[in-house]
Formats: sequence, structure tokens, C-alpha cells
Amino acid sequence: RKEVEQDPGPFNVPEGATVAFNCTYSNSASQSFFWYRQDCRKEPKLLMSVYSSGNEDGRFTAQLNRASQYISLLIRDSKLSDSATYLCVVTGGGNNFNKFYFGSGTKLNVKP
Amino acid sequence: DAGVIQSPRHEVTEMGQEVTLRCKPISGHNSLFWYRQTMMRGLELLIYFNNNVPIDDSGMPEDRFSAKMPNASFSTLKIQPSEPRDSAVYFCASSLGRNQPQHFGDGTRLSIL
Repeated sequence: RKEVEQDPGPFNVPEGATVAFNCTYSNSASQSFFWYRQDCRKEPKLLMSVYSSGNEDGRFTAQLNRASQYISLLIRDSKLSDSATYLCVVTGGGNNFNKFYFGSGTKLNVKP
Repeated sequence: DAGVIQSPRHEVTEMGQEVTLRCKPISGHNSLFWYRQTMMRGLELLIYFNNNVPIDDSGMPEDRFSAKMPNASFSTLKIQPSEPRDSAVYFCASSLGRNQPQHFGDGTRLSIL
């Protein structure tokens, strides 16, 4: 079983739509969680960390459900510039606290 | 502030040649990571260092791959001899350490002919 699983998409949405991505992880000892964004032929860039209480950054909201071991990302009022691949990231538990496990990414296409 | 700096940005070489990729982490970061990304396999962790010491190299595909971190501001990933299946984008990333987000360099696009 993969450490992190994501729906690969693509999600094709019109501008202004609200879209949500989910991600599940297998290691209950994982301590830190992130969403990264990767544009075509570019490096992954940190979008936001995910905190236990949930957190918001402008149009982006991240949620963590430790009991069910899933993470979500909600994007409101999508913009054309939000088109990218979104990577769910989970750190290893125990002595692997520094090791990142990346999901395979969910592709988002926002259309005019 | 300078981010993670990788060189070269692009490398095209013939199979059998030695390839050396270089990385300068963000100053003050004590963890450094080497990744490889392909369409088929996605983003794979090759090796990571804490305080210049290799911690986990289980992702290094074969003995042809080696990585070093002689000091806190420099790391290399070497492939010798290179093969066409090594063609990929190689990313270096660094972080402040435990459970902290990683910051990626622009990557090296490697093509082995």
C-alpha cells in the first residue's frame, strides 16, 4: 500500500468554481502534513501546511482528519492561475520524521 | 533570500558518461534531500542528509548513483556510468529539519542519449 494516495484527476472546473481534493495516508504516526503545488516543468512549491485544527489562507482551506487519516484542500473562487498539480505530502513517523512522502498529485484545470 | 540553487539546469550527455549534479541548500537549513521525477514514477526520494550525514539512501536506485555532502553548503549527486533510463528531472530540496517544509531548487533536467 502506498504511503499517500491521491485521486490523479484531472479535475476540470470553470473559473469561480469551488473544488476540493482529498488525500489519504497510511502511517498513523505521521506528524506533519503539507500541500504543495507543481506547475508544468517546474519545481514543487509549498502551498500551505496543514494543522490539526484546520487552517485557511485566502481562498485555500486545508483540513486534517487524524482519525480517518485523510487531508483535504478546498479552493474557492478558482482562478485560471490555480491550474496546476497539487501534491499531498506527509512526513514519516518515528525516526523518519524528516522523510517526506509525496502523493502522485491531483491535476487541476481551471477553464474560462 | 537565495533559495536552493542547483546546477546545471540542463544536461545532455551520452550514455556511459559520468554526470555530476550540484546543489547549494538554503543557508541555515540542516537537512538536504535529492529527488528524481519522471512521468512514469512521479517524485522519488533518492537520499537525504541531516547535518551533512546521509540518513536514508534506500531510494538510490543502483551503485551507479552516489551522493556526498562535504559541508553544510554543498552537495553532489553523481551517476557513473549514466544510462538512458536515468533521464529525468533531479530536484534538490532543503529544510530546517524535523517536520519542517522542504524548499526545492529549480531542478536539473538530465537527458542521457
